Amino acid sequence: AQSVTQLDSQVPVFEEAPVELRCNYSSSVSVYLFWYVQYPNQGLQLLLKYLSGSTLVKGINGFEAEFNKSQTSFHLRKPSVHISDTAEYFCAVRTDLNDMRFGAGTRLTVKP
Amino acid sequence: ETGVTQTPRHLVMGMTNKKSLKCEQHLGHNAMYWYKQSAKKPLELMFVYNFKEQTENNSVPSRFSPECPNSSHLFLHLHTLQPEDSALYLCASSQDVAGGFLELFFGEGSRLTVL
Repeated sequence: AQSVTQLDSQVPVFEEAPVELRCNYSSSVSVYLFWYVQYPNQGLQLLLKYLSGSTLVKGINGFEAEFNKSQTSFHLRKPSVHISDTAEYFCAVRTDLNDMRFGAGTRLTVKP
Repeated sequence: ETGVTQTPRHLVMGMTNKKSLKCEQHLGHNAMYWYKQSAKKPLELMFVYNFKEQTENNSVPSRFSPECPNSSHLFLHLHTLQPEDSALYLCASSQDVAGGFLELFFGEGSRLTVL
């Protein structure tokens, strides 16, 4: 079965600085990979997804992620963050039918 | 009208109460899910319904009882809950195709507090 590890539970960063949220997965088969964002008191919203093709995936709000098969990673990046990016970010992996596993989440806090 | 709507958004109940959470999806999807989100824990999949049939039950206690009358509506009936059941309950939907679904669409969640 696959699993997902988000290496940082909290990431504080100053406004306009770059940020990287790390995600590693374990799976012996092909995977689909996702990043979701959760703002306070809301549900999860899809940021981006990797299904196949180009390993660099662009999503909403200026985020992008790179699929690295050899390192089994799918790190999320943004070159310049805003206060409004403060939220919880979840990495997820799916292989089997109806089996999506989520990481424990990374709390991104953007400070002025 | 949002894609996946959950009601109520907040619920406080005693351990002997019976209550229900409701989820409705307006996306034309054919699969619906209940997830539990507790502090400091990954999301836990509770139930999956595909074409109204329950296809997964991840060892959830019987005090949680799901109901899926059609592909657009999903309920979670709650009875004699414990304080540790306090959490955010998230409903999601997906469009299943051959080989599985592509992504999940989530509602805003129902925050449950058990006293």
